[in-house]
Amino acid sequence: DTGVSQDPRHKITKRGQNVTFRCDPISEHNRLYWYRQTLGQGPEFLTYFQNEAQLEKSRLLSDRFSAERPKGSFSTLEIQRTEQGDSAMYLCASSPQDSRADTGELFFGEGSRLTVL
Amino acid sequence: KQEVTQIPAALSVPEGENLVLNCSFTDSAIYNLQWFRQDPGKGLTSLLLIQSSQREQTSGRLNASLDKSSGRSTLYIAASQPGDSATYLCAVRRETSGSRLTFGEGTQLTVNP
Repeated sequence: DTGVSQDPRHKITKRGQNVTFRCDPISEHNRLYWYRQTLGQGPEFLTYFQNEAQLEKSRLLSDRFSAERPKGSFSTLEIQRTEQGDSAMYLCASSPQDSRADTGELFFGEGSRLTVL
Repeated sequence: KQEVTQIPAALSVPEGENLVLNCSFTDSAIYNLQWFRQDPGKGLTSLLLIQSSQREQTSGRLNASLDKSSGRSTLYIAASQPGDSATYLCAVRRETSGSRLTFGEGTQLTVNP
């Protein structure tokens, strides 16, 4: 296992289309997070899961956004009816929790860059 | 609401210089603070993690300090190299916010050969 994996790395879509991003966390990490980063800014928290339960959602996560982690392993982030303002890098991170390895450190993937035309 | 500020926003130095990046946060009730590096168009690479009970952490040429009571952290880079050129981000995790991190906007570092 080499780290957090995200797919696709780049996505260009037209306004109004739906897009879906996938994240595979580090094995045995039971916490998974989604962040959004726009150019020149720091990442902003969107949501996080502990196993399959979505425990927290940011106000940034409008009703056009939905995230799932059905089996407590990989996660998907879907954006419906995309808008130009959705153009950003979508970052996924994972961390162990309630284990001897849990230092609270987050490990990030390479991100999925979305461009909405 | 936790706010994180990083100063300076950009820094350009000649190779070999020692440098300090600053991070400040408004709510001192933090669980930990993490420094990341981000190369253009890439994800975040964790550099150092400091727990709230710790004062500093070191990894190679990097040293991060934490003064929780004053809401400050510094990242010290010794003997900078062109390969250190990147954006450096600090992020704090609050004690009671679950697992969310609040990030600063980053310091864009350029080390010139």
